[in-house]
Amino acid sequence: EAGVVQSPRYKIIEKKQPVAFWCNPISGHNTLYWYLQNLGQGPELLIRYENEEAVDDSQLPKDRFSAERLKGVDSTLKIQPAELGDSAVYLCASSTGGASMNEQFFGPGTRLTVL
Amino acid sequence: GENVEQHPSTLSVQEGDSAVIKCTYSDSASNYFPWYKQELGKRPQLIIDIRSNVGEKKDQRIAVTLNKTAKHFSLHITETQPEDSAVYFCAAKPLPGGTSYGKLTFGQGTILTVHP
Repeated sequence: EAGVVQSPRYKIIEKKQPVAFWCNPISGHNTLYWYLQNLGQGPELLIRYENEEAVDDSQLPKDRFSAERLKGVDSTLKIQPAELGDSAVYLCASSTGGASMNEQFFGPGTRLTVL
Repeated sequence: GENVEQHPSTLSVQEGDSAVIKCTYSDSASNYFPWYKQELGKRPQLIIDIRSNVGEKKDQRIAVTLNKTAKHFSLHITETQPEDSAVYFCAAKPLPGGTSYGKLTFGQGTILTVHP
C-alpha cells in the first residue's frame, strides 16, 4: 500500500511568487492534515480536513495561505505571495476515523526555499 | 491551547546505553500521547503511543510512561543502537469536545546521537 504522497519534494522560488503543494493521502483516510515544520522544530498544524470540510484552520495565515480538498481525497496548499519566512518543510499527513486517537501517517514533505 | 515542552534538546549516548526523553504538557484534557522518530530529511514515523488510561507501554526496546497527575510522559530506549540516531518528537492530543479536539501538538524535538 502506498503511503502519503507529496509533490514536489523541493521547491525554490523568489519572494512574492506563488507556490502550490499537492498531497495524496492513504486510500480510505478521511482526515488530512497540513503541517509546517521549521528547521529544528516540531510540526505545527496549519489545517485539518474531515473529508472535504476544513474543521480546523485556526493556524492558517489566511491572508496568504489557502487550501482545498475538493473531492475529499487529494489536497492542495497554496501560498500567494510567498515571503522569506515561509521557507520550511510542509508536511501532509492522513489518518482514519476522524480526529480520534488514530495514528497520523506523514508524507515525505515539500521543502520550500524562498529567496 | 496545548503546550508541549520536551527535554533535552540533544542527547548523546554510547551504543548499548539507555536514553530517556521527557515531555510535559499543559492541557489536562489531553489523552493521547504519540512519539515520532524523524531521520534526517525523512518523514516523521510513529514509534509508540500511549493513551491516558494506561500508565506504561512497552514495545521491545522502547517504552513510554505517562503520569497524568504530573502531566508528563517519557520515552525510554534501552540497548541503544547507532540506527536509533534521529530526532524524536513527543506530541499530545486532547479529548473530543474541546476547541482543540483532534489537534496534535508537538514538542520541540530531541536530537539523539548513539555513538558506536
